[in-house]
Amino acid sequence: GAVVSQHPSWVICKSGTSVKIECRSLDFQATTMFWYRQFPKQSLMLMATSNEGSKATYEQGVEKDKFLINHASLTLSTLTVTSAHPEDSSFYICSATFSGQGGRVHTDTQYFGPGTRLTVL
Amino acid sequence: LAKTTQPISMDSYEGQEVNITCSHNNIATNDYITWYQQFPSQGPRFIIQGYKTKVTNEVASLFIPADRKSSTLSLPRVSLSDTAVYYCLVGPMGRRALTFGSGTRLQVQP
Repeated sequence: GAVVSQHPSWVICKSGTSVKIECRSLDFQATTMFWYRQFPKQSLMLMATSNEGSKATYEQGVEKDKFLINHASLTLSTLTVTSAHPEDSSFYICSATFSGQGGRVHTDTQYFGPGTRLTVL
Repeated sequence: LAKTTQPISMDSYEGQEVNITCSHNNIATNDYITWYQQFPSQGPRFIIQGYKTKVTNEVASLFIPADRKSSTLSLPRVSLSDTAVYYCLVGPMGRRALTFGSGTRLQVQP
């Protein structure tokens, strides 16, 4: 249990274009999803928290109009990087938490996706 | 959120037991301790989680003393494939984000 997928696993785009990254919880319903960004040799940095059916909460310094987050269902959250620039090139990772009971998925524990490598030329 | 302190790096050899200690002096009553493993260009993988005393699963053990101001992740008989960065995180359960520190880079050699 507790499988989180991301698509695509990597993407290369031209500066000024928009890129959408999908995050899915495959075997559990995720009431909350998180988006992180990780630059080379650095730790993960939280970008935003997303609850199903409500607006995302962004961390200080993260532009909500540039990084659009949609959490339309209990198994899917999307991150759209709008008008991407080379400095947005990074490794984007999502995580999901399960708030139910029982099973092999630990309640309220974050499970991470495999990440998406974004390269903006 | 409680701040954590871990060694930046550790070296070991195949077959040895590795213990990584994390300090979290300001841990709160409702905080849990969670350890993740991350390989290059992959998302963190959940290893183990605990609140107090000892927790063991198929891959690791987690030792937490009574004062809970530190915790030790124990990896029995490491192999080359255990070379990774290990993160110790402390925080309440629930829909709260995790704050990642620098982690411990474990290098296992033959």
